[in-house]
Amino acid sequence: TQLLEQSPQFLSIQEGENLTVYCNSSSVFSSLQWYRQEPGEGPVLLVTVVTGGEVKKLKRLTFQFGDARKDSSLHITAAQPGDTGLYLCAGNGNQFYFGTGTSLTVIP
Amino acid sequence: EAGVAQSPRYKIIEKRQSVAFWCNPISGHATLYWYQQILGQGPKLLIQFQNNGVVDDSQLPKDRFSAERLKGVDSTLKIQPAKLEDSAVYLCASSLSKRRTLYQETQYFGPGTRLLVL
Repeated sequence: TQLLEQSPQFLSIQEGENLTVYCNSSSVFSSLQWYRQEPGEGPVLLVTVVTGGEVKKLKRLTFQFGDARKDSSLHITAAQPGDTGLYLCAGNGNQFYFGTGTSLTVIP
Repeated sequence: EAGVAQSPRYKIIEKRQSVAFWCNPISGHATLYWYQQILGQGPKLLIQFQNNGVVDDSQLPKDRFSAERLKGVDSTLKIQPAKLEDSAVYLCASSLSKRRTLYQETQYFGPGTRLLVL
């Protein structure tokens, strides 16, 4: 089983602060994705990273794939209340697995 | 473009009863997935179809769960009999891919069916 552990599990911050969410595994993945899920809805894909060391930016969100393709991070700059949600990483290896999730609350 | 449709949105049943969920993927999407998401956790893949064939059902509890996609379009997931621990949101997703690829294509998720087993 390829487990993807995310940290922190819960995060509550003030609007305007920066934050980083981590996604770690002992297994190598051919690709890794990040999703955001809002209450009552399904996850929505934010980004796919494929190459070790790859960095992708999506407005205030920066995603990085570890050099060894075992881990990833999501950094949000100047968080806004609209960023509130459950952030999920998902890895594609022998099988496709979602991580344990990070619940983010941004307080206005 | 219409998204992934799921019904019902909510279902409450008693343990040992049966329940079925329906999913209609985005038109033209060859691959369909069913996930189980327990509160506070990430989704767990139950079964993946490519057209009407099963690609991966290794995490499907086959003694009580079954799924079919007879015509390669919509799909049903059934639980018979339900247990308390089956209380979860059941998500359906679809993707365009017509063949396995090295990287995961974009999956489009439906809103899910929230099941409560009493």
